[in-house]
Amino acid sequence: SQQGEEDPQALSIQEGENATMNCSYKTSINNLQWYRQNSGRGLVHLILIRSNEREKHSGRLRVTLDTSKKSSSLLITASRAADTASYFCATDQGGSEKLVFGKGTKLTVNP
Amino acid sequence: DGGITQSPKYLFRKEGQNVTLSCEQNLNHDAMYWYRQDPGQGLRLIYYSQIVNDFQKGDIAEGYSVSREKKESFPLTVTSAQKNPTAFYLCAILRVVGGLSYNEQFFGPGTRLTVL
Repeated sequence: SQQGEEDPQALSIQEGENATMNCSYKTSINNLQWYRQNSGRGLVHLILIRSNEREKHSGRLRVTLDTSKKSSSLLITASRAADTASYFCATDQGGSEKLVFGKGTKLTVNP
Repeated sequence: DGGITQSPKYLFRKEGQNVTLSCEQNLNHDAMYWYRQDPGQGLRLIYYSQIVNDFQKGDIAEGYSVSREKKESFPLTVTSAQKNPTAFYLCAILRVVGGLSYNEQFFGPGTRLTVL
């Protein structure tokens, strides 16, 4: 079952610009996570935000969570060509140790 | 990729053959997961194991089998019953910090299986 759905499916920007990706989910969660995947590689964990948090920062990443709207956004500031990758949100299922992943946003940062 | 090894990186098999994908970890974590990823898609859970000698089906377990005889190893067998086995397969472990699990997962590098 696909819990998280990212938007847009693809995003192309110039180096230095900000990139914003959104994720919507359907059921209640304990936390929401964002992962990054370079082409042909495994996923790398970026950031986790708990359901009682509204915003979290990590370096150039800023994540927001709106549980009333069941949505989250990932902002990458001052993007670099090396940020080119697919980005996935993942949600737990109300405390389960399983994660449900969205289909991802493919980000291309042009130098 | 941390201490998670998946081998081989690329695997080719003829239709109708069973094939086993390896996943090994040296991080001493209990919970391990197998996902399948198709082009342009997210990850779908095949099987997961929270402890040795125990495992549960995920969302798309049909045509797959697993075993968990050792904590370090969680091999996945793609059987001939799997109708469309060509995909990218990812193994992951659950990260536990200070005895608390936050569902954060560490992934291996993946195995790309192509059935000819």
